Amino acid sequence: GIQVEQSPPDLILQEGANSTLRCNFSDSVNNLQWFHQNPWGQLINLFYIPSGTKQNGRLSATTVATERYSLLYISSSQTTDSGVYFCAVERGGPGAGSYQLTFGKGTKLSVIP
Amino acid sequence: DTEVTQTPKHLVMGMTNKKSLKCEQHMGHRAMYWYKQKAKKPPELMFVYSYEKLSINESVPSRFSPECPNSSLLNLHLHALQPEDSALYLCASSRGQGGTGELFFGEGSRLTVL
Repeated sequence: GIQVEQSPPDLILQEGANSTLRCNFSDSVNNLQWFHQNPWGQLINLFYIPSGTKQNGRLSATTVATERYSLLYISSSQTTDSGVYFCAVERGGPGAGSYQLTFGKGTKLSVIP
Repeated sequence: DTEVTQTPKHLVMGMTNKKSLKCEQHMGHRAMYWYKQKAKKPPELMFVYSYEKLSINESVPSRFSPECPNSSLLNLHLHALQPEDSALYLCASSRGQGGTGELFFGEGSRLTVL
């Protein structure tokens, strides 16, 4: 199956700092999503971004599908950004449309005041 | 606020109990999912319903029994669970047109089996 690697596994930031989270994947994809899981367990959909660049407030994401990676940028971090950030992909090409997202292991972000 | 609603948010049950987790969405989505998440791990897919038909069962033990009464509702019936089944159970939905598409999760039901 498709492999998804996220880096770094853990990240501690001072409030106000910027950060970049990376997601590498091993095969072509037709679906890539970034999620934020808050400390209460809720998974919040940040971006649906199989290719290209999107921005939403202080967050932006870029997926370079041909090079099999995606980046999530967090600017001017706030304590409420703390939690785990997951990248999830679904394989494209033959056999696509499987309804099976593969999650990376996540990046745990802690933003300290 | 999430548009996928799960109840209950917390559940404690004994190994001989029968209980159910419920999930509801009103986004007109035609695919609904159950995921299981253990602490410090990513979510793991359990079941997928597409157009109210079970399309994926990821070799889940029969003590977990899914049900999709209509396109808006998804249940997970629990019977004779084991302590290792304690986890966060997440419901999700998507448009369901030829693949997962954009997936939206509920807040989860945190299950403890004693």
